[in-house]
Amino acid sequence: RKEVEQDPGPFNVPEGATVAFNCTYSNSASQSFFWYRQDCRKEPKLLMSVYSSGNEDGRFTAQLNRASQYISLLIRDSKLSDSATYLCVVNEEYNFNKFYFGSGTKLNVKP
Amino acid sequence: DVKVTQSSRYLVKRTGEKVFLECVQDMDHENMFWYRQDPGLGLRLIYFSYDVKMKEKGDIPEGYSVSREKKERFSLILESASTNQTSMYLCASSSPRDSNYGYTFGSGTRLTVV
Repeated sequence: RKEVEQDPGPFNVPEGATVAFNCTYSNSASQSFFWYRQDCRKEPKLLMSVYSSGNEDGRFTAQLNRASQYISLLIRDSKLSDSATYLCVVNEEYNFNKFYFGSGTKLNVKP
Repeated sequence: DVKVTQSSRYLVKRTGEKVFLECVQDMDHENMFWYRQDPGLGLRLIYFSYDVKMKEKGDIPEGYSVSREKKERFSLILESASTNQTSMYLCASSSPRDSNYGYTFGSGTRLTVV
């Protein structure tokens, strides 16, 4: 069983659409949660951390549901430049900062 | 601009060769990691280190070893390269002193073993 599960997609959406991804994690003791973005043939880059109270950064909103053990990412008013793979990341070992990565959800935003 | 630098972007090696992948970070980070990324499997942790001369096995350490003689440098060694080690290798670093504990990745090394 994987530590972090994501729908691989692809999600194909038109520009301007709102799209949401979910990610589930298996360890209820998980401490920290993140969304990373990875462009084709590039390294992953931190998009945003996910806080218990939820957080928003411009068009992006991340939420955490500890009871159901999932995190979500909502993208409003999608842009062509949002096309990428979005990785869900969970930190289970607080002291060593060891992360578990989902396999990613691919988003294609079309004109 | 903070950086994690991997020595090679693309590498082609022959089966049985000993391969060294180098990673250097300039952020004074305590933690360093080596992952490999394969289609459909995502990122899988090979080894990590949370201090100089310290190392811990990740989820798939077989066929690999690491060295951390200096804080800024973390090397991944393929003792005898095999074709199933063809992959994208990503180095990352982090520090518990950072407010969000996020990783910074290097740009990756795409290794092909023939």
